[in-house]
Formats: sequence, structure tokens, C-alpha cells
Amino acid sequence: SAVISQKPSRDICQRGTSLTIQCQVDSQVTMMFWYRQQPGQSLTLIATANQGSEATYESGFVIDKFPISRPNLTFSTLTVSNMSPEDSSIYLCSVGSETGNTIYFGEGSWLTVV
Amino acid sequence: QKEVEQNSGPLSVPEGAIASLNCTYSDRGSQSFFWYRQYSGKSPELIMSIYSNGDKEDGRFTAQLNKASQYVSLLIRDSQPSDSATYLCAVFEIQGAQKLVFGQGTRLTINP
Repeated sequence: SAVISQKPSRDICQRGTSLTIQCQVDSQVTMMFWYRQQPGQSLTLIATANQGSEATYESGFVIDKFPISRPNLTFSTLTVSNMSPEDSSIYLCSVGSETGNTIYFGEGSWLTVV
Repeated sequence: QKEVEQNSGPLSVPEGAIASLNCTYSDRGSQSFFWYRQYSGKSPELIMSIYSNGDKEDGRFTAQLNKASQYVSLLIRDSQPSDSATYLCAVFEIQGAQKLVFGQGTRLTINP
């Protein structure tokens, strides 16, 4: 299985600031996704990170709030912009094969906005 | 209708019994189905994947898939207290943008 490293693993952020989360994979992957898990909730897909092009965002998520970069097949970043307490969540990077028959998650980035 | 729906629980099962977790999905074209286990404070861990109709067994876990009924389940035999966690059903949808969609999760508690 792919080894997925996320940084930071945990952070406490001030309201109104922005934070960039990094996701590094130990092998080249075609599909890379960013999920959010709010307290007590299931996982919600934010966007699909596309290598060399703009990310594909799900309904309710916009590029201005969650800009994503994917410069190559092993790395992506998610920025949470102008944070509010409602953004306190776990943010998870996920990778998968092109056929979708293997999907793995990183350890997550636990953000608390105060 | 939600895309992926699970019995919300919580589900409580005595130690040693069989725990049964159920999930239905709406995308008929889906071919890949997953069960994840999530302990409190941890990220989801893949425990089973299934792609064909029928049963797939791995140790104490059995995944069952019925594409005609759009139904996937997970059975845990000889349940242990360490199986207490939230179990997430996920379906890889192919209609439109390919993506993994999660159910709301079922919290399982195994009572000693």
C-alpha cells in the first residue's frame, strides 16, 4: 500500500488566518483526494486534486476557501483560508489507483480554530 | 436519497457474537466497495474491499456484495472489544467525476 504523510498532524489556528496542509506519497498515484471530517461526522469530499490542472471541487466547496495544488504525482497541498471555528475538522488526504480499487488515507491533519 | 446509507447505530454486540453492518448505495455503476474502521482520534483504516457479487472473507471479517440489490455488508465473527469503533462504508462512484463516497458510519460497541 502507498505510504501517505501529512503535515501538520495537528495545529491550533487563530480565526482569520490560513493554513496549508501538505500530503506526500511515497509512490506516483493518479488519483488524490482531500476530505474533511467534522466532529462526530463522516467524511465529506472537498475536491479531487488533479495533477497539472485545477482541482475539481464538490458542491459546497470553493477554490477561494480551499485552494489546492498538485504539482506532481506524489505531492499535493490543501490550504484552508480565512479560518473560522466552523473549519475545525480533520482534513484527510487520500490516494487511489486509477480504477479505484484501492483507496488509502493519510493520518489526517487535526485543525482547531480558536 | 443519500448516495451511501448505513444503519446509523449505535450497535451493541456481546463479545464473541457476530456483528452485522449494512450499507446501501445509489450508483448502479459502482464497481468498488470498501469498509473502513475508524477508532476515536484516528484516521480511517481500510479493512475490506470487495468488487464482485458474493462473499469475501479475511480472517474474522466477511464482506458481502449484492449489486442487484445495491447492498453491501460486513460481518465480524467472534467480536472482540478491540473491534469497538466506527465502521464506514464507502463506494467508489463512477457516474460523473470518479470519487469515493462515504456513508455516515455505524458506531459499534463490543461488550465484554
